Amino acid sequence: GQNIDQPTEMTATEGAIVQINCTYQTSGFNGLFWYQQHAGEAPTFLSYNVLDGLEEKGRFSSFLSRSKGYSYLLLKELQMKDSASYLCAVKDSNYQLIWGAGTKLIIKP
Amino acid sequence: IAGITQAPTSQILAAGRRMTLRCTQDMRHNAMYWYRQDLGLGLRLIHYSNTAGTTGKGEVPDGYSVSRANTDDFPLTLASAVPSQTSVYFCASSDSAPTGELFFGEGSRLTVL
Repeated sequence: GQNIDQPTEMTATEGAIVQINCTYQTSGFNGLFWYQQHAGEAPTFLSYNVLDGLEEKGRFSSFLSRSKGYSYLLLKELQMKDSASYLCAVKDSNYQLIWGAGTKLIIKP
Repeated sequence: IAGITQAPTSQILAAGRRMTLRCTQDMRHNAMYWYRQDLGLGLRLIHYSNTAGTTGKGEVPDGYSVSRANTDDFPLTLASAVPSQTSVYFCASSDSAPTGELFFGEGSRLTVL
């Protein structure tokens, strides 16, 4: 079966750096997405990786290793507004998105 | 403001009743999707439509139906609601590119008693 694994919850301190990991086993691979979802709101797009390596976008970076079935989202200079759930999703060989259950990130002052 | 509009935002429904969740987008996206989100589980695809006039079944289609008469609208119908359909429902759209990100509506919180 297809599976996306990410930690259920993480805690970090304001101003620090946090890395949220995602491992996947899917039938085929056509890209990996990260979305942010604040409590009670809709998910919003953060990043897309299809080739190995690091994609940087401001305070957020996303890394992909296709051979290891692994990605991480790196958040730098954490702010209180970064408290949210972070969803990892992979497009399989049929271009259907397979979603992880999300990682709830708690930022403490 | 361009985007996706869902209605209703929230609804409490008696079991056995019929319910339609509405979804409209103004981005002229070809693809539209309905997901449900339950605590501890990832987003699960109910139904999708790659273009107007076509629909397909997702991971959890039982008890739900959809139609796609035009590009903008993609309603989801629960023919006879059951308590296990209590969930938050998100409509989303994307353009046809394989890399196309999803744009989500604000969600519809449905409680079936």
